[in-house]
Amino acid sequence: DIQMTQSPSTLSASVGDSVTITCRASQDISTSLAWYQQKPGKAPKLLIYKVFSLESGVPSRFSGSGSGTEFTLTISSLQPDDFATYYCQQYNSDVFTFGPGTKVDIK
Amino acid sequence: QLQLQESGPGLVKPSETLSLTCTVSGGSITSSSYYWGWIRQPPGKALEWIGSIHFLGNTYYNPSLNSRVTISVDMSKNHFSLRLTSVTAADTAVYFCAKHPGLHGHGNFDSWGLGTLVTVSS
Repeated sequence: DIQMTQSPSTLSASVGDSVTITCRASQDISTSLAWYQQKPGKAPKLLIYKVFSLESGVPSRFSGSGSGTEFTLTISSLQPDDFATYYCQQYNSDVFTFGPGTKVDIK
Repeated sequence: QLQLQESGPGLVKPSETLSLTCTVSGGSITSSSYYWGWIRQPPGKALEWIGSIHFLGNTYYNPSLNSRVTISVDMSKNHFSLRLTSVTAADTAVYFCAKHPGLHGHGNFDSWGLGTLVTVSS
């Protein structure tokens, strides 16, 4: 199976900061990479799919990049609503795997 | 707007079978190429994909759970179901149902249920 790692595991930031989360795959997953935001007690919410395609309704301060095995999620100008845990997910194979998550909290 | 809702027992005894249903509203489970999946999240831990099904019956399972998992579709009731046999405490988790557009590069989950907590305990 394809393994996913994320760094950092926790990120402390302030409102207005630009933050970047990195996701790495154990093998080439082409562009089959999604990012989700999850808040406590809630279901994950799809933010980005196919590396950089923004899901409808998601603010443009979220952006994705990368290819192959290394990918990034960037949140420019962090807003109070953005403090949450973020997961990457690969779907290049028919076995889907998620990363361990990155918690973005308030500095 | 498509909505998904999980239902089923919140408490299951060890060695027994966990059974959950996901009811789809605001759309048909037979729509196009959609796949319908189950994902779980143990308390304080990451998400784990369990498996997915197409209304025509094609199923794909996580190899780590393959021998214990069955996902099925009931088109007449517009719902799909999860069965997980021989459960242990390690199966305690919030179980989510979700939809993705297809396979082979279309496995992003774009609609989710609210999730239901299942605890395995005697």
